[in-house]
Amino acid sequence: AQSVSQHNHHVILSEAASLELGCNYSYGGTVNLFWYVQYPGQHLQLLLKYFSGDPLVKGIKGFEAEFIKSKFSFNLRKPSVQWSDTAEYFCAVAPNFNKFYFGSGTKLNVKP
Amino acid sequence: DVKVTQSSRYLVKRTGEKVFLECVQDMDHENMFWYRQDPGLGLRLIYFSYDVKMKEKGDIPEGYSVSREKKERFSLILESASTNQTSMYLCASSFLDRGFYEQYFGPGTRLTVT
Repeated sequence: AQSVSQHNHHVILSEAASLELGCNYSYGGTVNLFWYVQYPGQHLQLLLKYFSGDPLVKGIKGFEAEFIKSKFSFNLRKPSVQWSDTAEYFCAVAPNFNKFYFGSGTKLNVKP
Repeated sequence: DVKVTQSSRYLVKRTGEKVFLECVQDMDHENMFWYRQDPGLGLRLIYFSYDVKMKEKGDIPEGYSVSREKKERFSLILESASTNQTSMYLCASSFLDRGFYEQYFGPGTRLTVT
């Protein structure tokens, strides 16, 4: 069965610290990859996506992610977090392009 | 801007009640989805639909059914609500754009079954 693993369940950082959230998936074929973010009290929204080309993708609000095919990973990064980045982050994999599999989420708390 | 709306933000029902959760999207998307979101488990797919009157089971369909009579509307039905169906329910829609799908989510319905 397909699976998506987010190993960090809860991350606490101070403002200006760098962020890296891990995401690994278990599907061996071509996949589309996504990171979604859910700010407190808001709906899930797309942060960034990858489906082909440059494995380093840039998203909104200064986030980026790197697809490493050999490691089945799609880690999310931000060089300097802000208090407003406090949210829950979900990695998603779409092996058949329309059916998505989501990770369990990582809650990020950024201390001002 | 894509808009996915859900009929209620909060709902409280009693065990054994029949519950309807409604979802409407305004962008003529072919595909619609129902997920439940639970702490530590992420989003799990309940049912999805590729077209009107078509439905397919997701990973956790037990205790749920769906209805899609019109393209823009996708309903989730709990035939007899139970306390283990207390959860956040998310609706999403998607369409094929430049070779890939992107899912757009509604605000969610937090259902409590007592």
